[in-house]
Amino acid sequence: KQEVTQIPAALSVPEGENLVLNCSFTDSAIYNLQWFRQDPGKGLTSLLLIQSSQREQTSGRLNASLDKSSGRSTLYIAASQPGDSATYLCAVLSGGSYIPTFGRGTSLIVHP
Amino acid sequence: DTAVSQTPKYLVTQMGNDKSIKCEQNLGHDTMYWYKQDSKKFLKIMFSYNNKELIINETVPNRFSPKSPDKAHLNLHINSLELGDSAVYFCASSQDGTRVPGELFFGEGSRLTVL
Repeated sequence: KQEVTQIPAALSVPEGENLVLNCSFTDSAIYNLQWFRQDPGKGLTSLLLIQSSQREQTSGRLNASLDKSSGRSTLYIAASQPGDSATYLCAVLSGGSYIPTFGRGTSLIVHP
Repeated sequence: DTAVSQTPKYLVTQMGNDKSIKCEQNLGHDTMYWYKQDSKKFLKIMFSYNNKELIINETVPNRFSPKSPDKAHLNLHINSLELGDSAVYFCASSQDGTRVPGELFFGEGSRLTVL
């Protein structure tokens, strides 16, 4: 059974810092890994999707990397802004049941 | 156009009642899901459904049942509501994972409060 862990659970940083959020998974036989952000009281917004054959994906100030062999993905946020404050979740789609499994998220606060 | 839409957004009801939450996707996806997000914000899969197979999380009480009138809709029906059912329920969809595992798209969520 796939288990997904996100570290740290919470993070508070001043504006302008570069950040790394971590996601680890126990079963390396994955199809893809997806990063989301969730604002309070809102749904999940997809940020980046990495297929199992890819090493990284980039969108603006965001860069996500994937290392299947070690069961890890990182989300790098460059030059953080207060608008980046949200909960960041990773979801792993594994073989077998094809059901995405979520981590518990990292709650990020970027203060001015 | 909203890709995945859920109704209602808020639902307040008494214990013992039966309620339904509707979900529609206009993305042409083959697979739809229902997730439950608890008070600690953890997203737990309840059901996964495509036109071939319904996968049920065995921990979901049988008071919960998914109903799919067609490929674009997956409704969630809940019988005999309990206090512990209070949560935010999210609908999601993706392209058929059996061929091309794709990006997951979420609705805005339906907040259920059982009194």
